[in-house]
Amino acid sequence: DIQMTQSPSSLSASVGDSVTITCRASQSISSYLNWFQHKPGRAPKLLIYSTSSLQSGVPSRFRGSGSGTDFTLTISSLQPEDFATYYCQQSYSTRSLSFGGGTKVEIK
Amino acid sequence: QVQLVESGGGVVQPEKSLRLSCAASGFIFSTYGMHWVRQAPGKGLEWVAVISHDGTNKYYVDSVKGRFTISRDNSKNTLFLEMNSLRLEDTAVYYCAKDFSSGSGRLDYWGQGTLVTVSS
Repeated sequence: DIQMTQSPSSLSASVGDSVTITCRASQSISSYLNWFQHKPGRAPKLLIYSTSSLQSGVPSRFRGSGSGTDFTLTISSLQPEDFATYYCQQSYSTRSLSFGGGTKVEIK
Repeated sequence: QVQLVESGGGVVQPEKSLRLSCAASGFIFSTYGMHWVRQAPGKGLEWVAVISHDGTNKYYVDSVKGRFTISRDNSKNTLFLEMNSLRLEDTAVYYCAKDFSSGSGRLDYWGQGTLVTVSS
């Protein structure tokens, strides 16, 4: 099974800051990497698919990059609605999907 | 618009059974794969199972193999998760999610979840 490791597990930032979250796969997953935003009591939301493609309706301040085993999610100019937990997820092994442990973005 | 509404959660004793449902609308249900994903209290997201658009292919995370069964009724636009021999560690919010295609692994829409609590 493919293990996904995210870092950091949490971070504090201010509105307007730029933040970067990293995700590492235990083996190469090509570009089959997706990012989700999750707020308490809400449905998780797909932000980015296939490493860098923005899901419809997602603001352009969200950017994804990487390939192989190392990936990043960057949120530029953090907005109040961006405070949430973010998860990476590999879709390389479609019979056994897996998520990273999550990164909680909190208000400083 | 796409809507996924889970139901069937509740409090259940260890070793008992529970069946979750997910009512889908706003898309042609029979042409998309569907998933169940769960989140235990204070933990992250964990993928549980996937079923192909026509129900012929099903895959599970190791921890539920032999205990959980994913199924679907395309005539009723409904996804199911039959959970048997429940364990304390199955306590979680269970989400159903739509696949972008029949098995891409890209989960583009999710429901709000239903809470399952396994407790004696």
